[in-house]
Amino acid sequence: AQSVTQLDSHVSVSEGTPVLLRCNYSSSYSPSLFWYVQHPNKGLQLLLKYTSAATLVKGINGFEAEFKKSETSFHLTKPSAHMSDAAEYFCVVSGAAGNKLTFGGGTRVLVKP
Amino acid sequence: SAVISQKPSRDICQRGTSLTIQCQVDSQVTMMFWYRQQPGQSLTLIATANQGSEATYESGFVIDKFPISRPNLTFSTLTVSNMSPEDSSIYLCSVGPGGETQYFGPGTRLLVL
Repeated sequence: AQSVTQLDSHVSVSEGTPVLLRCNYSSSYSPSLFWYVQHPNKGLQLLLKYTSAATLVKGINGFEAEFKKSETSFHLTKPSAHMSDAAEYFCVVSGAAGNKLTFGGGTRVLVKP
Repeated sequence: SAVISQKPSRDICQRGTSLTIQCQVDSQVTMMFWYRQQPGQSLTLIATANQGSEATYESGFVIDKFPISRPNLTFSTLTVSNMSPEDSSIYLCSVGPGGETQYFGPGTRLLVL
């Protein structure tokens, strides 16, 4: 079984400052990990994924995430927040069969001008 | 990736009625998934729909309440039966065309009065 914990339900940042969204996972095997973003009244968009290649994963829109096995973490960062980054972000782990996704509780990001 | 559409995009229904949600993808895919996102919550997998076989339901979801059809490799429907206000949610379909990564439709926003 696997689980995902997003440590912050809400994050508020000023435009142009760094963004850090924290995610810890639990898995009995080597998981694949994902970050998805959901803008208001929109579907989910894949930001990036980790699949046991490089531990630092670069995604779209300037986001990146680092897989740290020793800490069972997969935190998402962006060096400079933009107003368009205001959305809900989900950290996701895949199941042993590779096709069953378990979602974290989500982190809502607010970007202040 | 895959382009996924859902119909309807939103609906308001009376309790006791049923609603069928359609999911169409622009390419043939083996696996399609249905998720529920209750207000302010994360996503929960309802079932996996494979073409040519019965859907596989997750714990807490039953076929009588959420019957699923998968007549071909590009289409699936989810019916929400005998609705109550607790069924008010966003229902999303997703596809996994080439492995673990899933791509999501825009969702169907359902309000039950």
